[in-house]
Amino acid sequence: SSELTQDPAVSVALRQTVRITCQGDSLKIYFANWYQQKPGQAPVLVISGKNNRPSGIPDRFSGSTSGNTTSLTITGAQAEDEADYYCNSRDSSANYLVFGGGTKLTVL
Amino acid sequence: QVHLVESGGGLVKPGGSLRLSCAASGFTFNDYYMSWVRQAPGKGLQWVSYISTSGVTIKYADSVKGRFTISRDNAKNALHLQMNSLRAEDTAVYYCARGGGWETIDYWGQGSLVTVSS
Repeated sequence: SSELTQDPAVSVALRQTVRITCQGDSLKIYFANWYQQKPGQAPVLVISGKNNRPSGIPDRFSGSTSGNTTSLTITGAQAEDEADYYCNSRDSSANYLVFGGGTKLTVL
Repeated sequence: QVHLVESGGGLVKPGGSLRLSCAASGFTFNDYYMSWVRQAPGKGLQWVSYISTSGVTIKYADSVKGRFTISRDNAKNALHLQMNSLRAEDTAVYYCARGGGWETIDYWGQGSLVTVSS
């Protein structure tokens, strides 16, 4: 079982703001990364570390952390943001990498 | 630009072996940790293994420890995953990815499908 917990599904109205969360004890110590995956495609990094956006990722994507919860916020969601989103970090022992179970985002 | 291309996937019987390879280009390969991550059909991402720049540090997920072996050839910009004693539950798309260890996984290949079935 994953040590990072995500809600299986979230929906948001077009151009509204949505927050996707990821919980885990290791997040009290380590930052998480966020990946977007569209059907039939490889994952794409959208947020890394504290709140770093790789080149080419729109600034409507942002990240934050509080306690054992890390969040990915999309401000003004677009239709093309409909995808699966995965958080990733280290496990509590720091030896392994772990992924959350993923959140399917639907843009209405 | 960073380019990762996996090869070697296919259909194999339970108990069989398969070797995946990943050809890397567009960056200085021996400067980065590398990882394998898999995704079973309709399921989420699962980290499998990572290897340090020199190959000294290697970690595996418990589910593959003792059966899979990760390796790299820095002279050929190549990453490998030797998979032995394959089980039905190893059926997945296997992604080669740049990063691992303390490095963010920041680029992914397009994946190679491994199907374990009799």
